[in-house]
Amino acid sequence: EIVLTQSPGTLSLSPGERAILSCRASQSVSSNYLAWYQQKPGQAPRLLIYSASSRAIGIPDRFSGRGSGTDFTLTISRLEPEDFGVYYCHHYGSSPWTFGQGTKVEIK
Amino acid sequence: QVELQESGPGLVKPSETLSLTCTVSGGSISSYYWSWIRQPPGKGLEWIGYVSNSGSTNYNPSLKSRVTLSVDTSNNQLSLKLTSVTAADTAVYYCARGFTDWGQGTLVTVSS
Repeated sequence: EIVLTQSPGTLSLSPGERAILSCRASQSVSSNYLAWYQQKPGQAPRLLIYSASSRAIGIPDRFSGRGSGTDFTLTISRLEPEDFGVYYCHHYGSSPWTFGQGTKVEIK
Repeated sequence: QVELQESGPGLVKPSETLSLTCTVSGGSISSYYWSWIRQPPGKGLEWIGYVSNSGSTNYNPSLKSRVTLSVDTSNNQLSLKLTSVTAADTAVYYCARGFTDWGQGTLVTVSS
């Protein structure tokens, strides 16, 4: 089983700042099948990025993903008020699929 | 655009079977893989498993002995059954198309 470790646990930032979220896998993620989600309270997760760096339909270009193998990052170039929430990474390249424990992005 | 809606009892007694249905609209269930994921209150996400349009399945080893996923192509529905539930199975349960499009989720509480 691939364990995904996200850091930091919490990121306290102001609107307009850049956010960099990290996701490290315990072993290489096959075909870079790594996704990122945003979740707000009471809502289902929303897909932001798939295949490590491809933006999902309707996702603003301030969200970008990069990485390969075991190290992946999600960058939000300029935080908007609606970007605050919990972000999860997720691998779907091999069974069992797993999720990271989440990074909370909060207003400073 | 595909939409998914979970439904089922919100309260299940310990040792009983949790049964949920996911109704898919705006797209055919006869394609893709269909997943189930759960999230205990205040905690992270756990993948339960997926079922293909042909009925083949892949389960999380931690739940494999208790879970059954299936598809009903005639009604465009998915189903999840989890046996011998305990309080640790209390969670919001989500169905999803693969890993992309998710339902709103339904809270299932295990309590006597």
